[in-house]
Amino acid sequence: GAGVSQTPSNKVTEKGKYVELRCDPISGHTALYWYRQSLGQGPEFLIYFQGTGAADDSGLPNDRFFAVRPEGSVSTLKIQRTERGDSAVYLCASSPGGGADTQYFGPGTRLTVL
Amino acid sequence: EDQVTQSPEALRLQEGESSSLNCSYTVSGLRGLFWYRQDPGKGPEFLFTLYSAGEEKEKERLKATLTKKESFLHITAPKPEDSATYLCAVHSPYGGSQGNLIFGKGTKLSVKP
Repeated sequence: GAGVSQTPSNKVTEKGKYVELRCDPISGHTALYWYRQSLGQGPEFLIYFQGTGAADDSGLPNDRFFAVRPEGSVSTLKIQRTERGDSAVYLCASSPGGGADTQYFGPGTRLTVL
Repeated sequence: EDQVTQSPEALRLQEGESSSLNCSYTVSGLRGLFWYRQDPGKGPEFLFTLYSAGEEKEKERLKATLTKKESFLHITAPKPEDSATYLCAVHSPYGGSQGNLIFGKGTKLSVKP
């Protein structure tokens, strides 16, 4: 079946601009996660959705970052007033039911802020 | 604070030369330990989940084991196509989050023909 998909695969923007990153989880998965991965590092947690609600947003670095999942499926990660330090690969994952369920990752969106 | 440490950072092997990757963890109540493979420019690909000490899982040339403090990923007779970064992650519900994984930095494996 179809895996997790993310669009765009690459995004180049200028400092100060607004960006949106999209994630389509595996069909039927109720849990959705966003992670950020910098070069040479493991993924770092940003936010976790269970259904439509953000169950845990403790990993969001500041209030410029926001994510939604209005219908419990597709999610959008939104970054306002982008900074060069936001450049990274943004990964989305989904799992059947959250908790210790296996998380399946998408290919990521590489964000470059000039 | 929950932590995951992987060693070595990089490992170069000749084709057929077996070895092991280490993942040491400190968590307040392990719910699961996960191994992923990541190729350059791609997302992590799931390999194994281990839930309790003593558990072992195998897939082709890979075998993952778990103790109370660490996990090993054993690679038997590796091939060049096994070259990738191997990531270890743990899930703990007591580290301030209900669902996220805590990842190590990974071990970059290169297998030369």
